Amino acid sequence: AQSVTQLDSHVSVSEGTPVLLRCNYSSSYSPSLFWYVQHPNKGLQLLLKYTSAATLVKGINGFEAEFKKSETSFHLTKPSAHMSDAAEYFCVVTLYNTDKLIFGTGTRLQVFP
Amino acid sequence: GAVVSQHPSWVICKSGTSVKIECRSLDFQATTMFWYRQFPKQSLMLMATSNEGSKATYEQGVEKDKFLINHASLTLSTLTVTSAHPEDSSFYICSASPLLAGVGTDTQYFGPGTRLTVL
Repeated sequence: AQSVTQLDSHVSVSEGTPVLLRCNYSSSYSPSLFWYVQHPNKGLQLLLKYTSAATLVKGINGFEAEFKKSETSFHLTKPSAHMSDAAEYFCVVTLYNTDKLIFGTGTRLQVFP
Repeated sequence: GAVVSQHPSWVICKSGTSVKIECRSLDFQATTMFWYRQFPKQSLMLMATSNEGSKATYEQGVEKDKFLINHASLTLSTLTVTSAHPEDSSFYICSASPLLAGVGTDTQYFGPGTRLTVL
């Protein structure tokens, strides 16, 4: 069965420093992987999507993620955090041969000035 | 583009009453809509999948008679929580998968959510 594990429930960084949100996946096939962000009182927004075309995926707002099959990881990074990046981030995998999404438990990112 | 709205954004009701939540895709047609439930500080759990004009498919453990889903058109799905009880209090989120050439069926656009509190 497919699943994702987000290794950190909370991450705190200072504005201007790099962001790393970790995600490991479990899948017996080549999965589609996503990162979504959830700001308070707003709908989840797609940051980026991996579908095997390229292992380094660039997303919106300066975020990117690298698919590493050998490590079964799909970590989200950003070189320099901004205050507006403070939100809940979800790593997501598709259930095999369906359009269903399986969400990780989320990582809350705090950005301090 | 690709905006999904939900109405209401929050609702408080008495135990035993029914509550209807609407999910609309504002600028695209959706082949499929999904309903999720999110408990405080927890992840999203898929409740059901609905396709326009057909019966919804419920996930294991979700009571289809309690959570009635109607997908009346390609832009509107409704979730009705019948005979609501305090344990139904939660954040309900819908998403829509667009009917667009070249867009994978796993692409979903999410609504802002509806917070339901049952007293």
